[in-house]
Parts: sequence; structure tokens; C-alpha cells
Amino acid sequence: GQNIDQPTEMTATEGAIVQINCTYQTSGFNGLFWYQQHAGEAPTFLSYNVLDGLEEKGRFSSFLSRSKGYSYLLLKELQMKDSASYLCASMDSNYQLIWGAGTKLIIKP
Amino acid sequence: GAVVSQHPSWVICKSGTSVKIECRSLDFQATTMFWYRQFPKQSLMLMATSNEGSKATYEQGVEKDKFLINHASLTLSTLTVTSAHPEDSSFYICSASKGGDSYEQYFGPGTRLTVT
Repeated sequence: GQNIDQPTEMTATEGAIVQINCTYQTSGFNGLFWYQQHAGEAPTFLSYNVLDGLEEKGRFSSFLSRSKGYSYLLLKELQMKDSASYLCASMDSNYQLIWGAGTKLIIKP
Repeated sequence: GAVVSQHPSWVICKSGTSVKIECRSLDFQATTMFWYRQFPKQSLMLMATSNEGSKATYEQGVEKDKFLINHASLTLSTLTVTSAHPEDSSFYICSASKGGDSYEQYFGPGTRLTVT
């Protein structure tokens, strides 16, 4: 079956670095997405990886290892506004997104 | 840009009535639109995928006669929840894809439906 695993909740300190991991098993693979979702709002796009390696975009970076079925989202210089849920989604062979349950990130001062 | 709007942003209706939710791509043509439902503290659940001018493809377990989807144009899709019940109360989110080589989905702001 298809499955996306990511931690339910993480806590980090303002100004620090946090890494949110995601493992995936899907029927085929056409890329890995990360979205940010604040409570009561729709998801917003953060990153898309289809090749192995690290993609850096400002304070956020995303890594992919296709052989391991693994990705992580790295957030640097954490700010209070980064408190949100982070959703990992794998695109399968039918170009359909398979969503993880999301990781709730709590930032403490 | 790629902006998607939804209307209404929230709605309260009585059990047994129908509710229509609109999803519009404001500055691009959406080849495909997706409808999701999200219950509190849960992930997005894809309900259906619709392509302009054709019938929607519903996910397993989603009643197509209850959740009517119309993708009338490249910028508009509607979801009608018919004979709504309290268990249909949820956060409904649409997304749109430009198609071609672009796989990114652009999400609308969501519609909070409460059925009393």
C-alpha cells in the first residue's frame, strides 16, 4: 500500500534549527512536496524535490533520497511565525499526491 | 502568480439542505482541480479530481451522488454537498494545477462547513 510517515509533533526554540523527517512508500514516484499549513488555513507550497539532494530556499531547505524513500525539511533561524503543521506529500505514478498526516511544529521563545 | 479563491470561506447550514462551494483560479487556467476534505488534526483527504469538461474522478468511499462536482470552465469548479448532515462538517479545500510539466497544486483558502 501507499504510506507516508512523519512525526506527529515537534518542539523547537526560536532562532534554532529543526529537521522534519518524512519517509514514503508510493506506487511509483514523481516527486516529493512539502507544504506549510497554519491552523484553519489552506496549505501553502514550500518545496518540490524530484532528484536526490538538497534544495535550499532561504531559511528552508528540503532533501530527498529516492533510494531510501526519505526526505526532510530543514528550517533554520526559526521564527515564531514558523509554528504550523508541515505536510509531506509524495506524488505517485498517477501524479496523485499521497499526503502525510502532518507534523505540528511548536516554536518556543 | 497562481491564486485560487474559494467561496464562501465559511458556511453554516441546517441538516438536509445543500451547500455549494466555488473554487476559482484567478490568474491562470486550471487543467485539473482537486477537492479535499480535512477533519481536525488530520491530513488532507482527496475527495475527487476534476478536469474541465469531463466527469470528476471520485476517490474510493466518496459518494458521487452526495458530493456533486462540476468543472464547467478552466477557471471554475464547484462542489455541492447535497442533503448535508452533521458528519459532513469539515474543512473543504480545493486546489488547482496548471497542467503540462507543472505538478504543483495551488490551494484555495478553504471553506469551513458546519452542519447543524
